[in-house]
Amino acid sequence: DIVMTQTPLSLSVTPGQPASISCKSSQSLLFSNGKTYLYWYLQKPGQSPQLLIYEVSSRLSGVPDRFSGSGSGTDFTLEISRAEAGDVGVYYCMQGLHLPYTFGQGTRLEIK
Amino acid sequence: EVQLVESGGGLVQPGGSLRLSCAASGFTFSDHYMDWVRQSPGKGLEWVGRIKNRANSYITEYAASVRGRFTMSRDDSKNLLYLQMSGLKTEDTAVYHCVRDLHNLGGAFDIWGQGTMVTVSS
Repeated sequence: DIVMTQTPLSLSVTPGQPASISCKSSQSLLFSNGKTYLYWYLQKPGQSPQLLIYEVSSRLSGVPDRFSGSGSGTDFTLEISRAEAGDVGVYYCMQGLHLPYTFGQGTRLEIK
Repeated sequence: EVQLVESGGGLVQPGGSLRLSCAASGFTFSDHYMDWVRQSPGKGLEWVGRIKNRANSYITEYAASVRGRFTMSRDDSKNLLYLQMSGLKTEDTAVYHCVRDLHNLGGAFDIWGQGTMVTVSS
């Protein structure tokens, strides 16, 4: 199975400040079609996870442009340009290249 | 409104069986691959399995931890997804979410149900 490793596991940021989460996969997530199957999800307190970013850097419709994804191969990053109170929760990366799909351990974001 | 609503969770003894249902609305259910993802109390997310659409012969695939014990099925005429669970173990205790695969490839789970809790305990 592909192992997804996130760092840090927790993060505390001041409103308006940037936040960055790293995700590393145990093997490349680049498929032969040129797409890279790396996703970012946010689980807000008491809610189901929600998809933020698909295929490394594409924002789902309705996701603020404060959220951006980057990376390639095995190294990926989710960045929040200006954190807001509503961004609190646990962020997960997930690989969709090989079954079983696997998630990172999650990064808990707190707003100070 | 596009939504998924799970039901059927509950308390079951080890070795027992349970069937979860997921009712879809607001989109063309039959077009999409559908998956189940579970979350153990206080833990992270684990992919359980998926069922493809009719065009792909309703092929099912499962995580190793549930293969041979869990069976996914769907009724496109009723917009329903099912997860039949048997031989349940304490480690199957989790909230089970049904999810829609947006692109039918790669795991872009854009719609999640609220989840249904399954507790396996004697």
